[in-house]
Amino acid sequence: KAGVTQTPRYLIKTRGQQVTLSCSPISGHRSVSWYQQTPGQGLQFLFEYFSETQRNKGNFPGRFSGRQFSNSRSEMNVSTLELGDSALYLCASSFSANFPEAFFGQGTRLTVV
Amino acid sequence: AQKVTQAQTEISVVEKEDVTLDCVYETRDTTYYLFWYKQPPSGELVFLIRRNSFDEQNEISGRYSWNFQKSTSSFNFTITASQVVDSAVYFCALSQVGAQKLVFGQGTRLTINP
Repeated sequence: KAGVTQTPRYLIKTRGQQVTLSCSPISGHRSVSWYQQTPGQGLQFLFEYFSETQRNKGNFPGRFSGRQFSNSRSEMNVSTLELGDSALYLCASSFSANFPEAFFGQGTRLTVV
Repeated sequence: AQKVTQAQTEISVVEKEDVTLDCVYETRDTTYYLFWYKQPPSGELVFLIRRNSFDEQNEISGRYSWNFQKSTSSFNFTITASQVVDSAVYFCALSQVGAQKLVFGQGTRLTINP
């Protein structure tokens, strides 16, 4: 059974640009969550989608957005990139709220220059 | 608000020693989940265990064991006879029941020296 797949693995962007990251969950999983990991702030929750609906959102500015498609694949978008957005972005999938184990992908390393 | 504290930033031990990683949490919820994850250098968070708040039974899986004490809001993780492959950053996390939002501690970097 394939795990959580995140693409791309690495990205370098310039300040002010926008970026889209992709996440394909484990087959059969309908919940996808996104996390940002930085040395200073650690692992922080961005948002969670279930059946194409955003159910939870973390404390991030509106520049961070996401969506989920009918096949459960998810994308997150960051607009007007800032240097501080440089981070490892991790996607996690889980089957449902009653099976809360979240399985993570290898992440996308975003560098903003 | 929920909070997880891992007071040990870094731990370094010699192979075959036992090591315990501490985790203390805060929550107003009466039911919740606790987790431990391992993050090797590759970056992927590897799920190790999930514990329900209503189940205080300790768990052992091979060289790994977990001690959950609701009275002290702690969920500690012990590795017995540590091995070099155990070297990683370990995260403790907390979530509400029904919400797929994990609150992580700051992590403990564990180094096992040969």
